[in-house]
Amino acid sequence: GEQVEQRPPHLSVREGDSAVITCTYTDPNSYYFFWYKQEPGASLQLLMKVFSSTEINEGQGFTVLLNKKDKRLSLNLTAAHPGDSAAYFCAVGSSSFSKLVFGQGTSLSVVP
Amino acid sequence: GPKVLQIPSHQIIDMGQMVTLNCDPVSNHLYFYWYKQILGQQMEFLVNFYNGKVMEKSKLFKDQFSVERPDGSYFTLKIQPTALEDSAVYFCASSLGGLYTEVFFGKGTRLTVV
Repeated sequence: GEQVEQRPPHLSVREGDSAVITCTYTDPNSYYFFWYKQEPGASLQLLMKVFSSTEINEGQGFTVLLNKKDKRLSLNLTAAHPGDSAAYFCAVGSSSFSKLVFGQGTSLSVVP
Repeated sequence: GPKVLQIPSHQIIDMGQMVTLNCDPVSNHLYFYWYKQILGQQMEFLVNFYNGKVMEKSKLFKDQFSVERPDGSYFTLKIQPTALEDSAVYFCASSLGGLYTEVFFGKGTRLTVV
Protein backbone atom coordinates (compact mmCIF):
# COMPACT_ATOMS: atom_id res chain seq x y z
CA GLY A 1 0.00 0.00 0.00
CA GLU A 2 0.84 3.66 -0.14
CA GLN A 3 3.73 4.83 2.02
CA VAL A 4 4.50 8.46 2.73
CA GLU A 5 7.80 9.69 4.12
CA GLN A 6 8.03 13.23 5.49
CA ARG A 7 11.23 15.12 6.22
CA PRO A 8 12.52 16.72 8.33
CA PRO A 9 10.88 15.64 11.60
CA HIS A 10 11.97 18.88 13.25
CA LEU A 11 12.80 22.25 11.72
CA SER A 12 13.86 25.47 13.36
CA VAL A 13 14.17 28.67 11.35
CA ARG A 14 14.51 32.35 12.11
CA GLU A 15 11.66 34.74 11.48
CA GLY A 16 11.72 35.89 7.87
CA ASP A 17 13.61 32.84 6.63
CA SER A 18 12.12 30.23 4.36
CA ALA A 19 11.23 26.73 5.46
CA VAL A 20 10.81 23.66 3.27
CA ILE A 21 9.08 20.43 4.23
CA THR A 22 9.07 17.51 1.83
CA CYS A 23 7.07 14.31 1.45
CA THR A 24 7.72 11.43 -0.87
CA TYR A 25 5.07 8.87 -1.71
CA THR A 26 5.10 5.48 -3.40
CA ASP A 27 1.77 5.00 -5.18
CA PRO A 28 1.96 6.41 -8.72
CA ASN A 29 -1.84 6.48 -8.80
CA SER A 30 -2.01 8.99 -5.96
CA TYR A 31 -4.18 11.91 -6.96
CA TYR A 32 -5.07 13.96 -3.89
CA PHE A 33 -2.41 15.75 -1.91
CA PHE A 34 -2.91 17.83 1.22
CA TRP A 35 -0.95 19.85 3.72
CA TYR A 36 -2.34 20.25 7.22
CA LYS A 37 -1.22 22.44 10.10
CA GLN A 38 -1.80 21.36 13.69
CA GLU A 39 -1.30 23.67 16.63
CA PRO A 40 -1.15 22.22 20.16
CA GLY A 41 -4.57 21.16 21.37
CA ALA A 42 -6.23 22.01 18.07
CA SER A 43 -7.56 19.98 15.18
CA LEU A 44 -5.87 19.63 11.82
CA GLN A 45 -6.31 22.75 9.73
CA LEU A 46 -6.20 22.37 5.97
CA LEU A 47 -3.52 24.62 4.49
CA MET A 48 -3.63 23.61 0.87
CA LYS A 49 -4.73 20.83 -1.40
CA VAL A 50 -3.25 19.90 -4.76
CA PHE A 51 -4.76 17.48 -7.19
CA SER A 52 -2.59 15.45 -9.54
CA SER A 53 -3.65 17.58 -12.47
CA THR A 54 -1.83 20.62 -11.05
CA GLU A 55 1.75 20.97 -9.98
CA ILE A 56 1.79 24.15 -8.02
CA ASN A 57 -0.54 25.92 -5.70
CA GLU A 58 0.05 29.10 -3.77
CA GLY A 59 -1.47 30.44 -0.60
CA GLN A 60 -0.74 33.30 1.74
CA GLY A 61 2.97 33.03 2.44
CA PHE A 62 3.47 29.49 1.15
CA THR A 63 3.73 27.43 -2.01
CA VAL A 64 2.98 23.78 -2.57
CA LEU A 65 4.85 21.95 -5.32
CA LEU A 66 4.02 18.52 -6.68
CA ASN A 67 6.64 16.63 -8.68
CA LYS A 68 4.83 13.58 -10.04
CA LYS A 69 7.90 12.17 -11.74
CA ASP A 70 9.81 12.01 -8.47
CA LYS A 71 6.65 11.42 -6.40
CA ARG A 72 7.53 14.35 -4.18
CA LEU A 73 5.35 16.95 -2.55
CA SER A 74 6.78 20.00 -0.85
CA LEU A 75 5.55 22.87 1.27
CA ASN A 76 7.60 26.06 1.06
CA LEU A 77 7.01 28.79 3.58
CA THR A 78 8.55 31.87 2.01
CA ALA A 79 8.96 34.17 5.01
CA ALA A 80 8.19 32.33 8.21
CA HIS A 81 6.84 34.14 11.25
CA PRO A 82 6.33 32.91 14.82
CA GLY A 83 2.66 32.22 14.15
CA ASP A 84 3.75 29.50 11.72
CA SER A 85 5.19 27.45 14.59
CA ALA A 86 3.18 24.23 14.61
CA ALA A 87 3.21 20.63 13.41
CA TYR A 88 2.74 20.15 9.69
CA PHE A 89 1.48 17.00 8.03
CA CYS A 90 1.26 15.97 4.42
CA ALA A 91 -1.44 13.50 3.41
CA VAL A 92 -2.01 11.57 0.21
CA GLY A 93 -5.04 9.81 -1.26
CA SER A 94 -5.56 7.82 -4.42
CA SER A 95 -9.28 8.27 -4.98
CA SER A 96 -11.97 10.51 -3.63
CA PHE A 97 -13.37 7.64 -1.60
CA SER A 98 -10.09 6.34 -0.26
CA LYS A 99 -8.30 6.92 3.00
CA LEU A 100 -5.66 9.57 3.56
CA VAL A 101 -2.15 8.32 4.21
CA PHE A 102 -0.25 10.79 6.39
CA GLY A 103 3.40 11.63 6.66
CA GLN A 104 5.11 11.46 10.03
CA GLY A 105 4.81 15.18 10.61
CA THR A 106 7.27 18.07 10.95
CA SER A 107 7.51 20.17 14.06
CA LEU A 108 8.32 23.68 12.86
CA SER A 109 9.67 26.28 15.24
CA VAL A 110 10.06 29.88 14.07
CA VAL A 111 12.21 31.94 16.39
CA PRO A 112 12.06 35.75 16.41
CA GLY B 1 -16.30 27.35 9.77
CA PRO B 2 -17.67 23.83 10.01
CA LYS B 3 -16.50 21.89 13.04
CA VAL B 4 -16.22 18.27 13.97
CA LEU B 5 -16.73 17.86 17.69
CA GLN B 6 -15.25 15.02 19.71
CA ILE B 7 -16.42 14.13 23.17
CA PRO B 8 -14.70 13.66 25.55
CA SER B 9 -11.28 15.21 24.92
CA HIS B 10 -9.61 12.80 27.30
CA GLN B 11 -10.72 9.44 28.63
CA ILE B 12 -9.01 7.06 31.03
CA ILE B 13 -10.22 3.50 31.14
CA ASP B 14 -9.20 0.22 32.74
CA MET B 15 -7.80 -2.42 30.44
CA GLY B 16 -10.49 -4.87 29.39
CA GLN B 17 -13.32 -2.40 29.75
CA MET B 18 -15.40 -1.05 26.90
CA VAL B 19 -15.04 2.51 25.65
CA THR B 20 -17.10 4.50 23.18
CA LEU B 21 -15.60 7.54 21.52
CA ASN B 22 -18.14 10.01 20.21
CA CYS B 23 -17.90 12.24 17.21
CA ASP B 24 -20.36 14.88 16.08
CA PRO B 25 -19.54 15.36 12.39
CA VAL B 26 -20.42 18.35 10.25
CA SER B 27 -24.17 18.21 9.79
CA ASN B 28 -24.55 17.56 6.06
CA HIS B 29 -21.47 15.41 5.63
CA LEU B 30 -21.70 11.92 4.23
CA TYR B 31 -18.24 10.41 4.70
CA PHE B 32 -16.78 9.66 8.13
CA TYR B 33 -13.35 8.55 9.23
CA TRP B 34 -11.41 7.51 12.31
CA TYR B 35 -7.66 7.93 12.59
CA LYS B 36 -5.31 6.89 15.39
CA GLN B 37 -2.19 8.74 16.46
CA ILE B 38 0.20 7.35 19.01
CA LEU B 39 2.22 10.09 20.69
CA GLY B 40 5.09 11.20 18.48
CA GLN B 41 4.03 9.06 15.57
CA GLN B 42 2.09 9.68 12.38
CA MET B 43 -1.67 9.68 12.03
CA GLU B 44 -2.86 6.26 10.86
CA PHE B 45 -6.10 5.39 9.14
CA LEU B 46 -8.48 3.10 10.98
CA VAL B 47 -11.76 3.06 9.07
CA ASN B 48 -14.05 5.03 6.80
CA PHE B 49 -17.82 4.88 6.74
CA TYR B 50 -20.42 5.88 4.19
CA ASN B 51 -24.11 5.24 3.77
CA GLY B 52 -24.30 3.24 6.97
CA LYS B 53 -21.46 0.90 6.04
CA VAL B 54 -17.75 0.47 6.56
CA MET B 55 -16.08 1.12 3.22
CA GLU B 56 -12.50 0.36 4.11
CA LYS B 57 -10.61 -0.59 7.25
CA SER B 58 -6.95 -0.98 8.04
CA LYS B 59 -5.19 -3.78 9.86
CA LEU B 60 -5.23 -1.50 12.94
CA PHE B 61 -9.01 -1.84 13.01
CA LYS B 62 -9.02 -4.97 15.14
CA ASP B 63 -12.01 -7.23 15.75
CA GLN B 64 -12.52 -5.44 19.05
CA PHE B 65 -13.31 -2.22 17.17
CA SER B 66 -16.65 -1.26 15.74
CA VAL B 67 -18.19 1.88 14.29
CA GLU B 68 -21.73 3.01 13.82
CA ARG B 69 -23.80 6.10 13.31
CA PRO B 70 -27.09 5.37 15.04
CA ASP B 71 -29.99 7.68 14.13
CA GLY B 72 -27.73 9.62 11.77
CA SER B 73 -26.28 11.61 14.63
CA TYR B 74 -23.05 10.78 16.46
CA PHE B 75 -20.48 8.68 14.69
CA THR B 76 -19.02 6.35 17.30
CA LEU B 77 -15.95 4.19 17.68
CA LYS B 78 -16.35 1.41 20.20
CA ILE B 79 -13.49 -0.66 21.54
CA GLN B 80 -14.47 -3.77 23.47
CA PRO B 81 -12.39 -4.94 25.23
CA THR B 82 -9.65 -2.31 25.42
CA ALA B 83 -5.95 -3.19 25.50
CA LEU B 84 -2.94 -1.19 26.65
CA GLU B 85 -1.84 -0.65 23.03
CA ASP B 86 -5.11 1.13 22.31
CA SER B 87 -3.79 4.15 24.19
CA ALA B 88 -3.56 6.92 21.60
CA VAL B 89 -5.30 10.01 20.32
CA TYR B 90 -8.24 9.14 18.10
CA PHE B 91 -9.27 11.67 15.49
CA CYS B 92 -12.65 11.74 13.84
CA ALA B 93 -13.10 13.38 10.45
CA SER B 94 -15.94 13.99 8.04
CA SER B 95 -16.39 15.22 4.50
CA LEU B 96 -19.25 16.00 2.17
CA GLY B 97 -17.95 14.17 -0.88
CA GLY B 98 -14.75 12.37 0.02
CA LEU B 99 -11.27 13.69 -0.69
CA TYR B 100 -12.50 15.81 -3.59
CA THR B 101 -14.08 18.04 -0.97
CA GLU B 102 -12.52 19.22 2.25
CA VAL B 103 -12.07 16.73 5.07
CA PHE B 104 -12.64 18.31 8.48
CA PHE B 105 -10.96 16.87 11.55
CA GLY B 106 -11.94 17.03 15.19
CA LYS B 107 -9.49 17.89 17.95
CA GLY B 108 -9.15 14.26 18.95
CA THR B 109 -9.91 12.18 22.02
CA ARG B 110 -6.90 11.11 24.04
CA LEU B 111 -7.59 7.57 25.25
CA THR B 112 -5.46 6.22 28.07
CA VAL B 113 -5.86 2.54 28.89
CA VAL B 114 -4.42 1.62 32.29
